[in-house]
Amino acid sequence: EPEVTQTPSHQVTQMGQEVILRCVPISNHLYFYWYRQILGQKVEFLVSFYNNEISEKSEIFDDQFSVERPDGSNFTLKIRSTKLEDSAMYFCASTSRAAGASGNTIYFGEGSWLTVV
Amino acid sequence: DAKTTQPPSMDCAEGRAANLPCNHSTISGNEYVYWYRQIHSQGPQYIIHGLKNNETNEMASLIITEDRKSSTLILPHATLRDTAVYYCIVRGLNYGQNFVFGPGTRLSVLP
Repeated sequence: EPEVTQTPSHQVTQMGQEVILRCVPISNHLYFYWYRQILGQKVEFLVSFYNNEISEKSEIFDDQFSVERPDGSNFTLKIRSTKLEDSAMYFCASTSRAAGASGNTIYFGEGSWLTVV
Repeated sequence: DAKTTQPPSMDCAEGRAANLPCNHSTISGNEYVYWYRQIHSQGPQYIIHGLKNNETNEMASLIITEDRKSSTLILPHATLRDTAVYYCIVRGLNYGQNFVFGPGTRLSVLP
């Protein structure tokens, strides 16, 4: 069964450093997302991306964050200067955008756990 | 998107059916009900979705009331591996818009 894959599974970084989290969405999917989950809290939406541009972003997704689809398969989330409060699990997700509710179903990767020290 | 209300936690005996309720009284006619679950800190896993008819797949059944204001996810024979947080999400077919996750229901399957 096709799946969303994410790397790295765990990264430890020093405060102020740049971090890039990578994702390979399901191959025929067209909409891509990043979510995050701080330990013990809800899953929170960060950003959605379609046709090489941001479709929607939340208040969390400030100027320190950026997304990119550098080639036909990868989708990346960059945090320019990490803060302690960026420590969280980051989930990549994708949808096919096919007609109907099935095409609207979001499929998530297993996450990248970011620890900022 | 319509908001949902779920009980914060539930217990279920292993081998028995787990019935997880969700209230979505403000759901509109074109909004679907989606269920996901999150086992430990893994990525949310899609379970099932429906509009107004009851749905069944290899994982679960979804029962939606006639007025569509509530639904129940049924795991017919719960196993210990079904212990997870279960999320009920209501949304329309707005491609690119995010799924809004609430706190969900923490289901504990007990041996």
